[in-house]
Amino acid sequence: KAGVTQTPRYLIKTRGQQVTLSCSPISGHRSVSWYQQTPGQGLQFLFEYFSETQRNKGNFPGRFSGRQFSNSRSEMNVSTLELGDSALYLCASSPGTDNYEQYFGPGTRLTVT
Amino acid sequence: AQSVTQLGSHVSVSEGALVLLRCNYSSSVPPYLFWYVQYPNQGLQLLLKYTTGATLVKGINGFEAEFKKSETSFHLTKPSAHMSDAAEYFCAVSGGATNKLIFGTGTLLAVQP
Repeated sequence: KAGVTQTPRYLIKTRGQQVTLSCSPISGHRSVSWYQQTPGQGLQFLFEYFSETQRNKGNFPGRFSGRQFSNSRSEMNVSTLELGDSALYLCASSPGTDNYEQYFGPGTRLTVT
Repeated sequence: AQSVTQLGSHVSVSEGALVLLRCNYSSSVPPYLFWYVQYPNQGLQLLLKYTTGATLVKGINGFEAEFKKSETSFHLTKPSAHMSDAAEYFCAVSGGATNKLIFGTGTLLAVQP
């Protein structure tokens, strides 16, 4: 099976712009989660989706949003970008909904200038 | 509430020596514990997972971890380090009706020839 894919892999945006990141889970996986990784804050949970419904949300401002489509693909959007949003954004898919192992994609490296 | 503490942000071992990476957790619900590895410019790869039952968990690449409830620990070990083991290792916990992972701050493992 193909692994989790994320597009784009690298992105450079200007402060104030918005960005959309995409994630395609492993075939058959219906649960998708997003994480932000920064040197200062480490790995932090953003959202969790299952069957197009957000099940859980981390402690991030409303500028961070996400959605999941009927084919389980997911997108996350960050509006009004700030310099502090520069990070590696990781998507993970899982075969189940509660405490299942998660399989991570390679990430999207977002740089905000 | 859940949390993970990884003791030692940097660990250096010689090739062929024992690898021991420490992880302590806190959880108000029965914990599910994970170890992930991250190579430079890549996503996270699952090494092993503890659910319930056997307290000694064997993972990929010769790694194993032992769940000790009395010590709230889940340390990762490997009998003999290889150069290819040099990477960053993350311990994580989940619990309850969610796939949300709470990560430790990571341990960077260096393997000296």
